[in-house]
Amino acid sequence: EAEVAQSPRYKITEKSQAVAFWCDPISGHATLYWYRQILGQGPELLVQFQDESVVDDSQLPKDRFSAERLKGVDSTLKIQPAELGDSAMYLCASSLLGWGNTGELFFGEGSRLTVL
Amino acid sequence: DQQVKQNSPSLSVQEGRISILNCDYTNSMFDYFLWYKKYPAEGPTFLISISSIKDKNEDGRFTVFLNKSAKHLSLHIVPSQPGDSAVYFCAAKADTGKLIFGQGTTLQVKP
Repeated sequence: EAEVAQSPRYKITEKSQAVAFWCDPISGHATLYWYRQILGQGPELLVQFQDESVVDDSQLPKDRFSAERLKGVDSTLKIQPAELGDSAMYLCASSLLGWGNTGELFFGEGSRLTVL
Repeated sequence: DQQVKQNSPSLSVQEGRISILNCDYTNSMFDYFLWYKKYPAEGPTFLISISSIKDKNEDGRFTVFLNKSAKHLSLHIVPSQPGDSAVYFCAAKADTGKLIFGQGTTLQVKP
């Protein structure tokens, strides 16, 4: 069964360092999402791509976070510099279409970030 | 401004009994509602969805009910099994396709 691949699974870093997460969506899925889930809360959208274009990055802290999907396939989410409050699970998801479908997103296993 | 709310952080039920998880929303423009299940250290997995034009959708032991006038949906699990113990997220689909999630409810099913 096709899956969304994410790496690394776990990352421990010190504050002010740079971190990067990688995501490879299910083949053929044009829409890719990065969500952040803080413990005890629901996932919150950071950025949504349709192919290589950003559809929604309204909740992305652009002073320290950046995301790209250069060829419209895999994607990288970067944080620089990391802060203590960035400790969370970073989830990547993909779907066939951004609209007109039933809404199901397919999630990867996530990247757990701990900032010390 | 929380558009999707799950007001019960946790729920404990006995194996074999019914589990009812609740969710409220504020935006009438959502066209689909979904339930996801999440185990620790894993990504959420899709459970069941319902269109905003329906009031019930059933899949095996899982049934979702939608009350549009009350802006409320619920997930019923019958019978509950210990393997159902997880965090359950309610989500609403916006017109861009993104999902807006509630805070989650931790379900514990006791043997």
